[in-house]
Amino acid sequence: GAGVSQSPSNKVTEKGKDVELRCDPISGHTALYWYRQSLGQGLEFLIYFQGNSAPDKSGLPSDRFSAERTGGSVSTLTIQRTQQEDSAVYLCASSSQGAGGPYEQYFGPGTRLTVT
Amino acid sequence: AQSVSQHNHHVILSEAASLELGCNYSYGGTVNLFWYVQYPGQHLQLLLKYFSGDPLVKGIKGFEAEFIKSKFSFNLRKPSVQWSDTAEYFCAVNRGRDDKIIFGKGTRLHILP
Repeated sequence: GAGVSQSPSNKVTEKGKDVELRCDPISGHTALYWYRQSLGQGLEFLIYFQGNSAPDKSGLPSDRFSAERTGGSVSTLTIQRTQQEDSAVYLCASSSQGAGGPYEQYFGPGTRLTVT
Repeated sequence: AQSVSQHNHHVILSEAASLELGCNYSYGGTVNLFWYVQYPGQHLQLLLKYFSGDPLVKGIKGFEAEFIKSKFSFNLRKPSVQWSDTAEYFCAVNRGRDDKIIFGKGTRLHILP
């Protein structure tokens, strides 16, 4: 099926290394979100892309985190100089937009990042 | 800053009990409201949403939620839970068409068979 896909599904990295996480949204969805899910913290908003507008980066926890969305489709979340507290599941979601608001968000399976 | 509060972090109920999970948001203007569910080992999926109109919203699997603007609340209810409702439930809000969607910290629901 043509759902949201994310890669890799699991990533183990050493502290201080950079990582890139990829998200392929559903074709035609103009909105793309990145969240971080860790135990007891729920879904922490990271960044939001909507069409051609400037992304809402207000949730990025530090300047080590960045994301881009190329051609309005695929998105990459980059974490530089990873720290142990970055360990979490990183979720991507996409949605289309209606006149009144976003339609249903479709979530990917997530990337489980472990920083050793 | 916009925030979503879910009061119950972990709820344990017996089958056939009634359920109400609390959700409050902090933004005073027009909002869109959502409840998502994550079953063990599965992706997050939408249970129901409120944009406008009837404040009592019905969703899948017998769930409903009521938007009470004066209380800034959007509580989730189900009259009789089943063991298969064991999951984590997330409330979410956004302020309009092009605003980001913010989630609460979730409520883990455990139904005893």
